[in-house]
Order: sequence, then structure tokens, then C-alpha cells
Amino acid sequence: EPEVTQTPSHQVTQMGQEVILRCVPISNHLYFYWYRQILGQKVEFLVSFYNNEISEKSEIFDDQFSVERPDGSNFTLKIRSTKLEDSAMYFCASRRDGPLGGGNEKLFFGSGTQLSVL
Amino acid sequence: GQNIDQPTEMTATEGAIVQINCTYQTSGFNGLFWYQQHAGEAPTFLSYNVLDGLEEKGRFSSFLSRSKGYSYLLLKELQMKDSASYLCAPSDTGFQKLVFGTGTRLLVSP
Repeated sequence: EPEVTQTPSHQVTQMGQEVILRCVPISNHLYFYWYRQILGQKVEFLVSFYNNEISEKSEIFDDQFSVERPDGSNFTLKIRSTKLEDSAMYFCASRRDGPLGGGNEKLFFGSGTQLSVL
Repeated sequence: GQNIDQPTEMTATEGAIVQINCTYQTSGFNGLFWYQQHAGEAPTFLSYNVLDGLEEKGRFSSFLSRSKGYSYLLLKELQMKDSASYLCAPSDTGFQKLVFGTGTRLLVSP
């Protein structure tokens, strides 16, 4: 089955530094998402991206965060000036376009990037 | 906004049946998902209900009542590998995102 791939699997950074988390969604998918999960807590929505623009973002996704689709395959999350509380597992997800049903609604998740801010 | 309520933890024995309930309140609704998440791993898709009723898929079934804001996930013939968190996630209109509840941690013992 096709997979969403994320790199790196682990990222350690110093507080105040910038990090870029990378994702390669499944090739025929058109909706892209970033979620995060702080250890022991729920999976939280950050942002959704469609047609080369942000379609929705949560309160968490403030000016510190940005997303980009720099080419036809990659989807990135940039976190500027990282803080201790940004330490979390970050998941990328994607899904197909099309009417609901037949699998179009199914969100595929990557295996995540564990970000540790020291 | 959205409010999702599931039990925090459940235990069951191998071979048994367990039902995980979820109630939700959403400002818009476009179906309900169940995902499984093993510790340290990504969520994986289990089921999707958009119409009222029961959807069966092997050992797993999911039920939805839209009028009651209620869903359940039924797991039969439990196996040790079913020990995981089960996440109830309604989707909003326009399908822009899923919002996950805190999940139910299921522990299956021998």
C-alpha cells in the first residue's frame, strides 16, 4: 500500500532554533495535513493544505509555524524560534480528492517526526 | 467547536468482545472515523461511518447514530495485538480536518 513518508524520524534542536519537518504525501493525494501529539496527550490538528494554500488552521498554528509545498512531491512544516513546549511527535497526513466514500475520505498518516527541543 | 467523549481506559481478555463508546458534539458533521494508534506510532484507519447503522469489517464493527451524536467501535475475538489506543474522530463539513478525542486505551490480557 502507498505510504506517507516523513523525515527525519527524530530531530533534536536547541530552543530558539528553526526546524523544517519534511513529508512526502502519497502521489495522487491532494489534501495535506499536519498534526502533532505531545507525549501522553491527544492528536491535535495544526493545519490543512489544498490547492497550494492553507484551507484551515488551528489556534496552535500561529506565526511561528508555516507550511510549504516547494515542489510536486514534498510538503514541509517550518517551526521558527522553537520553544520547549514544541517538543512533540509531528504527523503528516494526506488523502485523495473526490466524493466521500470509496476510500476518498481516508486519511493516511506518516510515521511521524519526534521533535525534541532542549 | 467540537466536544468528543470516550472512556480513558478499558481492559479485556484475549478472545473476548469489547465495545468502545464515543459521544460527540460538533458544529458541522460529515461522518465519523475510528483510528487505532499503537504507542509511539501513527494512527491507522479502522472505519468510517457517514450514515446511521452498523458497518462491519472483519473483527471490527462500527456503529453510528447521528441524531444521538453517538458511535461505538466493537472489537471481537480480541488478540493481544489489539492493545492500543482507539481514537474517535468526527469530521467537519467540507472535510477539512479530523478532530481526535483523547482516545481509549485498551489493554488486552491473556
